Amino acid sequence: QSVLTQPPSASGTPGQRVTISCSGSSSNIGGNAVNWYQQLPGTAPRVLIYSDSRRPSGVPGRFSGSKSGTSASLAISGLQSEDEADYYCEAWDDSLNGRVFGGGTTLIVL
Amino acid sequence: EVQLVESGGGLVKPGGSLRLSCAASGFTFSAYSMNWVRQAPGKGLEWVSSISGYSSYIYHADSLRGRFSISRDNAKNSLFLQMNSLRAEDTAVYYCTKSGGANPLAPQDYWGQGTLVTVSS
Repeated sequence: QSVLTQPPSASGTPGQRVTISCSGSSSNIGGNAVNWYQQLPGTAPRVLIYSDSRRPSGVPGRFSGSKSGTSASLAISGLQSEDEADYYCEAWDDSLNGRVFGGGTTLIVL
Repeated sequence: EVQLVESGGGLVKPGGSLRLSCAASGFTFSAYSMNWVRQAPGKGLEWVSSISGYSSYIYHADSLRGRFSISRDNAKNSLFLQMNSLRAEDTAVYYCTKSGGANPLAPQDYWGQGTLVTVSS
């Protein structure tokens, strides 16, 4: 059971906009930055969004992040087939004194 | 170019020990916190441990404290994970990751390819 809660799956058609939610508490999302990671099949994860909404260089502008209270969201607009992957949210937890991940969301492009 | 190369994984019997290593290059190693993250087969990501640049701050997942220990050698640009009393549930790919800054809370901006640890008799 993960500290951060994500839906196990999400889906959309090419060109569509999809969002993935991440729910936590005041000890993690509510007080610390949220990061999002993308893991393509058979590869290591890579950072997609950091500090709630910032995008590393090289990450397409189609990906965006937001946070409100103890929840965060990852939005992908103009969905493409290569976006099929697992997505994980992550934050520091002040009560556990460590990093916590969401259980991951598998995105399927129909 | 940042590179993180893990080694030391393999097959080990329950109750055994293993030491993972991560060779880092392409950045000033001592200036950044480092981490270990693991992923059991078909499962999600699980944070294992983090260490600050000069080992002043060390954090371990509660469930692993006492069995796993993180350390680093800045002179050799290397990160380590000592794993003792291994159990079947420790079977996973172990990733070495670099934090985006000196703060252990910084996002993990680079990941190695991982090394597989299998605990089985």
